[in-house]
Amino acid sequence: KAGVTQTPRYLIKTRGQQVTLSCSPISGHRSVSWYQQTPGQGLQFLFEYFSETQRNKGNFPGRFSGRQFSNSRSEMNVSTLELGDSALYLCASSPSRDGDSPLHFGNGTRLTVT
Amino acid sequence: KNEVEQSPQNLTAQEGEFITINCSYSVGISALHWLQQHPGGGIVSLFMLSSGKKKHGRLIATINIQEKHSSLHITASHPRDSAVYICAVSRNTGKLIFGQGTTLQVKP
Repeated sequence: KAGVTQTPRYLIKTRGQQVTLSCSPISGHRSVSWYQQTPGQGLQFLFEYFSETQRNKGNFPGRFSGRQFSNSRSEMNVSTLELGDSALYLCASSPSRDGDSPLHFGNGTRLTVT
Repeated sequence: KNEVEQSPQNLTAQEGEFITINCSYSVGISALHWLQQHPGGGIVSLFMLSSGKKKHGRLIATINIQEKHSSLHITASHPRDSAVYICAVSRNTGKLIFGQGTTLQVKP
């Protein structure tokens, strides 16, 4: 089975621009969650989707949004980029909606905002 | 105070040593996760625990629900075990609350 695929792997954007990151979960996994990792704040939860519905949202401003498609692929969007948005963005998938299965992580997208 | 605390933050060991990383949490949980992150960013799920003890190869994870504490043990450590080990907790969802991580270096 193919693992969780995140694209692109690296991205450089300018302040004020917007960016869309993509996550393709393992086949059959309907739960996708997104995380931000920075040296200062560590890993923080962004959102969780199951069957196209957002189940949970972390404490991030409205500039951060996401969605999930009927094939379980998910995208997250960050608008009006700020320097502090530079981070590694990770997604993870799971077959379960109840958090009772281990998560499978992608390799992440490293976003640099200049 | 963070909801998930790990100790130590940094750990250096000699090859072959027995290693313990600790995790304490202050919230109600349905599961505790131990994750491993190598340089380059990819995260691997090592264990998901809701009670008792799990073993996989040289790795052992235990959890004490009453004390809200978990430990990750590595027996016969090897340089390839060098990585960041992260404890995270969840409550019936994929929303994880993470500890700050423990950076482990195993020297040959």
